Amino acid sequence: VLTQSPGTLSLSPGERATLSCRASQSVSSSDLAWYQQRPGQAPRLLLFGASNRATGVPDRFSGSGSGTDFTLTISRLEPEDYAVYFCQHYGGPPFTFGPGTKVDIK
Amino acid sequence: QVQLMESGGGVVQPGRSLRLSCAASGFTFATYAIHWVRQAPGKGLEWVAVISYDGHFQQYANSVKGRFTISRDKSRGTVFLQMDRLRTQDTAVYYCARDNYAYGFTYYFEHWGQGALVTVSS
Repeated sequence: VLTQSPGTLSLSPGERATLSCRASQSVSSSDLAWYQQRPGQAPRLLLFGASNRATGVPDRFSGSGSGTDFTLTISRLEPEDYAVYFCQHYGGPPFTFGPGTKVDIK
Repeated sequence: QVQLMESGGGVVQPGRSLRLSCAASGFTFATYAIHWVRQAPGKGLEWVAVISYDGHFQQYANSVKGRFTISRDKSRGTVFLQMDRLRTQDTAVYYCARDNYAYGFTYYFEHWGQGALVTVSS
């Protein structure tokens, strides 16, 4: 089971966002991904293997962590970054997603 | 570029059936596994099923096992999700997504369709 915190993060443009994903038991960092989902759109893959950026993802997005605790960091929020972010453990089955963290404008 | 397009969504009564289609283009269809992932209204994501690149392997989430069947038609470049004995809790947007590795599985997804809404209601 994956839990994400906080549920909602209210920040101003240019600020740093730190999102947490916690697993109920230790998982391999090779099996952890992060997605961004804007309203009305399909999810977009940001990171895989905990820290590897997908094609075309800006370098303001970074990931870290191991074991049960993983972090997605957005170094400086841009207007297009206000969205919901999901983590995913794909080393299953089961192949589970976290409940999401919403980043909204303060 | 890679394109995935779902169709077949709609409103259906509990206990009835519906078949979703996922038409793929922009890549060699026969070399990639295809997954279905769903999202209930206002909720998170749930992986549903996968079919291997050659159609010989299928895998399902426990929540749909025995009720849903995934298949693919190489000649049409299309993957299907047959959903039987539908329940109200199956109401969701259903996305098809392409696996990242040719001839294998990663279970994370760079390419997604736009989604098809399935509403199960009496």
